[in-house]
This record gives sequence, structure tokens and C-alpha cells, in this order.
Amino acid sequence: GQQLNQSPQSMFIQEGEDVSMNCTSSSIFNTWLWYKQDPGEGPVLLIALYKAGELTSNGRLTAQFGITRKDSFLNISASIPSDVGIYFCARDYGGSQGNLIFGKGTKLSVKP
Amino acid sequence: DTAVSQTPKYLVTQMGNDKSIKCEQNLGHDTMYWYKQDSKKFLKIMFSYNNKELIINETVPNRFSPKSPDKAHLNLHINSLELGDSAVYFCASSQTGTLYGYTFGSGTRLTVV
Repeated sequence: GQQLNQSPQSMFIQEGEDVSMNCTSSSIFNTWLWYKQDPGEGPVLLIALYKAGELTSNGRLTAQFGITRKDSFLNISASIPSDVGIYFCARDYGGSQGNLIFGKGTKLSVKP
Repeated sequence: DTAVSQTPKYLVTQMGNDKSIKCEQNLGHDTMYWYKQDSKKFLKIMFSYNNKELIINETVPNRFSPKSPDKAHLNLHINSLELGDSAVYFCASSQTGTLYGYTFGSGTRLTVV
């Protein structure tokens, strides 16, 4: 119940295209996080979602917390070459410590 | 200023050696973490630690031990290194009660030969 299923595993798109990726879980929880990892760097938080149904934007990125509290999607509009990287969904493990459980990532490649 | 800094960036060592990776954060956070990223890019929590509580992921071998000299530092010691320990190790920090400022270091690539 603690695993996150993230899809697709990888995407190859043309610059300017829109991108959508999603995460699902068999259990409900209270937080969704979306991270991006550039090559040779650590993950960087893009968007945090705290309420079911919440829709949040960060520039060209939009993420939603599913109403069932078991899923979330991340959309990137009008992709550019610097969007290349691995995108991870994550959730809080629970308890007093902020341990995160990560999805397996979506590797995005953008062709100029 | 780097918020969460790890050293070294790269570490190549022989099987059986003992090594340490250092982590420092200047964000004033009260909790620090170590994550392991394997060759398939899967990120998994190893430890979380604040001044009150150490939580260890039960899958982590006891050859791995975190040591915190103070709130701003959480070092990772690894004894008797094995080939399977090769991975990228990330340190992170956060403040209890919020996930929004959760910050990762840039990673240490450990290669055991």
C-alpha cells in the first residue's frame, strides 16, 4: 500500500508539446509532492499538494491532487529543452518524521 | 550559498573498506535524511534523524550508520563496503511540520570496485 505507481516510465517529445504524467497509489494519503531531478543533481521540489482536488500551478507546470486521494498528475505545457530530466512523485511516509516515498520516476527527453 | 552540501561528490573505493560521506545544511532545519538512489534511479529513504528520534529503514544493513555531531550535520558511515553499495547517496533536510522546504543535496556517487 505504500508503493507509488508512476507512469509513463519515459517520454520522448518534441519541443513545444505538452506533457502529462501521473502517479497512483492503492492507499489514501494527505500529501503529494512533485520533484524534478536534473542529471548530476538532487531532486528539486516543483509543486506540493495538500488537499484532495487541489489544482496548483507553477509556471508552465500544473499538478492536481486526485479527489480520491489516491492519485495525482503533473502537466507541463509548451515543453522546452531545459524540461529534460527525471520527474518524481512522492508522498509523506507518515509519522513524526518527514520520510518520503518516491515513485520510480518519469524520464523526459525533449527534442529541439 | 549551498543549502544542503555533501562531500565528496564522487567516491571510488575497494570492497571491504570503511568510508564516510559528510552532509551539512545551513537552512536551520531540525531534521536530516539520507536517501539511496540505485542504478535504475529509484530513490529510497535510509534514515531520518532529528535531535529526538532516529528512524532507520529496516531494509538498510547495519553496516550503514548515521552520525550527527550537531543539528546542521548528518554524516553517513559505511563499514565493510560491498559491490552492491554502489549508488548515489543523497542527503536532505526539512523542518518538522512542513514538507514544502524539503531540500536535497546534489548527491555523492559511490562506486565500490
